[in-house]
Amino acid sequence: AQKITQTQPGMFVQEKEAVTLDCTYDTSDPSYGLFWYKQPSSGEMIFLIYQGSYDQQNATEGRYSLNFQKARKSANLVISASQLGDSAMYFCAMREERNRDDKIIFGKGTRLHILP
Amino acid sequence: DSGVTQTPKHLITATGQRVTLRCSPRSGDLSVYWYQQSLDQGLQFLIQYYNGEERAKGNILERFSAQQFPDLHSELNLSSLELGDSALYFCASSPTLRGASGNTIYFGEGSWLTVV
Repeated sequence: AQKITQTQPGMFVQEKEAVTLDCTYDTSDPSYGLFWYKQPSSGEMIFLIYQGSYDQQNATEGRYSLNFQKARKSANLVISASQLGDSAMYFCAMREERNRDDKIIFGKGTRLHILP
Repeated sequence: DSGVTQTPKHLITATGQRVTLRCSPRSGDLSVYWYQQSLDQGLQFLIQYYNGEERAKGNILERFSAQQFPDLHSELNLSSLELGDSALYFCASSPTLRGASGNTIYFGEGSWLTVV
């Protein structure tokens, strides 16, 4: 069964520093996708970045990059040059792409606090 | 703006009542997902529809039901409401059934349900 683990309930980081949010996953499906979402205090879920299991390179989107280590089943989110507006809840998620169940499952999230 | 529209944004109702949450997916998206986010349970997958048909079912209570209409909008019906049903209910959509590179799901802003 698919599973997502985020071991950091909360993190405090100084503004302008880089941040790494941890995510490990478990699946028996060789084809899967990994996602990161940001949820600010207003509540909306904002898609940040996607990594496919067969993608050769780590995904990047602006200040976000995904450190994908397939053998370790790890998909950490790296935020470079953090900003106050990055303070939010961050969710790692996964979808098994050969499963009839097309759902995305989420980890419990990491609450990131950026300090001025 | 993700392109997924949810109404109402906020709803307060009494225990025992029934409510309907509505979702309009992004233009062209065939797949609709419903998630429940409560403080102690994180993001829980409820149900998925693809082009009008139920595709996957998660931890959805029997008191809850959903459907997707021919115009692809979806409704989530919650009946015999209990205090514990208070949560943020998300609808999300994606273009196709199977994952392809970058085929993420996009979330609406959510419907905040408070049961009193």
